[in-house]
Amino acid sequence: GAVVSQHPSRVICKSGTSVKIECRSLDFQATTMFWYRQFPKQSLMLMATSNEGSKATYEQGVEKDKFLINHASLTLSTLTVTSAHPEDSSFYICSVPHQTYNEQFFGPGTRLTVL
Amino acid sequence: AQSVTQPDIHITVSEGASLELRCNYSYGATPYLFWYVQSPGQGLQLLLKYFSGDTLVQGIKGFEAEFKRSQSSFNLRKPSVHWSDAAEYFCAVGAYNTDKLIFGTGTRLQVFP
Repeated sequence: GAVVSQHPSRVICKSGTSVKIECRSLDFQATTMFWYRQFPKQSLMLMATSNEGSKATYEQGVEKDKFLINHASLTLSTLTVTSAHPEDSSFYICSVPHQTYNEQFFGPGTRLTVL
Repeated sequence: AQSVTQPDIHITVSEGASLELRCNYSYGATPYLFWYVQSPGQGLQLLLKYFSGDTLVQGIKGFEAEFKRSQSSFNLRKPSVHWSDAAEYFCAVGAYNTDKLIFGTGTRLQVFP
C-alpha cells in the first residue's frame, strides 16, 4: 500500500503559539487530503478538505482562521493551529485518497498538547 | 442526518474466541462502508469495505463483515481472535471509496490470553 507520513508525531507548546503539522504522501500524488481531529476515547471528526491549488473546504463549526490549511503541492498539506489554546489539544490525523488503489491512506497522527 | 453508531465502547474476549463488533449507520444515499483498525503509533488501516455485490465481504487478517440493508448494519466478525488483534476498531461511511468519511465512536478490543 501507499505511505502517508505526518510530522511531527507529537508536539507540546505554550498557549498562544502557533503549531504547524505536515502531512505528506510519500509515493503518490493527491489533489485532495483530509484532516481529522480525534479527542481521547472519541471518534475521528472531519475538520476540513485540503485542495491543491485552491482554498480548503472547512466543515461546519471549524474555525478557518484558527486552523489554517495549505495544500502546497501534490504531496504535501499543512495544518497550522494558530494561537493554540489548551482546548486545541488533540490528536490530528490526515488521510490521502489514492485513486489507483481506490482507497485512502491515513497518516500516523500528530499528538498536540497545549500547556 | 448522516451518522455511524458503534454501540460497544469496549469489548473483552479471550484469545481464540469469536468476535463480532457492531455498526449501524444512517446515510441518505447508498453508502460505501468501511472498517478500519487503529493501533498505537500507526495510522488507521483498512480492514475491508463494501459498496455493492455479495453482502458478506472478506478482509485482511481473517476479518469479515456482513451488510444488512434492512437493519442498516455492517457488523465485523472474526471466528478466532488473536492477541495481536487488540486495538481500536472504527466503522465508517462515505459517498465513495476515496471520499471524506464519517466515523463511528470506535470499539476498543481487549484480548486476554
